[in-house]
Amino acid sequence: QQPVQSPQAVILREGEDAVINCSSSKALYSVHWYRQKHGEAPVFLMILLKGGEQKGHEKISASFNEKKQQSSLYLTASQLSYSGTYFCGTDTSGNTPLVFGKGTRLSVIA
Amino acid sequence: DARVTQTPRHKVTEMGQEVTMRCQPILGHNTVFWYRQTMMQGLELLAYFRNRAPLDDSGMPKDRFSAEMPDATLATLKIQPSEPRDSAVYFCASGLSAGGSYEQYFGPGTRLTVT
Repeated sequence: QQPVQSPQAVILREGEDAVINCSSSKALYSVHWYRQKHGEAPVFLMILLKGGEQKGHEKISASFNEKKQQSSLYLTASQLSYSGTYFCGTDTSGNTPLVFGKGTRLSVIA
Repeated sequence: DARVTQTPRHKVTEMGQEVTMRCQPILGHNTVFWYRQTMMQGLELLAYFRNRAPLDDSGMPKDRFSAEMPDATLATLKIQPSEPRDSAVYFCASGLSAGGSYEQYFGPGTRLTVT
């Protein structure tokens, strides 16, 4: 079952904050976040594991709520380089391939 | 700087022709994935291998797609015969599975256009 991401798209000015959400209908072992810039391959950002462990990457952090089967990606003080499409990928057992959401397109403008 | 490589980067072909895409995973990675990306469907898993053994190819149209790993340094994805609806970007990714979750490294992709 494909996770649902929201919003589908967001436009920010430099310095503004954004939150991207990822919801699953199934219990999750972990949630993965990737960023893809236009015309390029997806690039790994972080993994969040059961237990609510939160891991950060530069000014991007994320959380994982197991009970709600949700993860949120927090982008603070956004930079132009943050523009791209953000995908969450969900893993239900630790030994299954990821199922990716349809992505959230983030555009940061000056 | 270890990277996943894919060839060709672009392919334009006519309907009915055979297409072969190749991937060289990062040395030492034991898991290889093939994905297809379209605007409508997003990133879809086609097949994946662990230690060269196919684990799941349920995402592939079996009558026309085939995926193999002839050795640890090469994964191939073939489409025969190709159809216009196969037009998409095909990504290969590799990772090191040691139990539990792990990050995937994506190749640059093959952009396939079937006319």
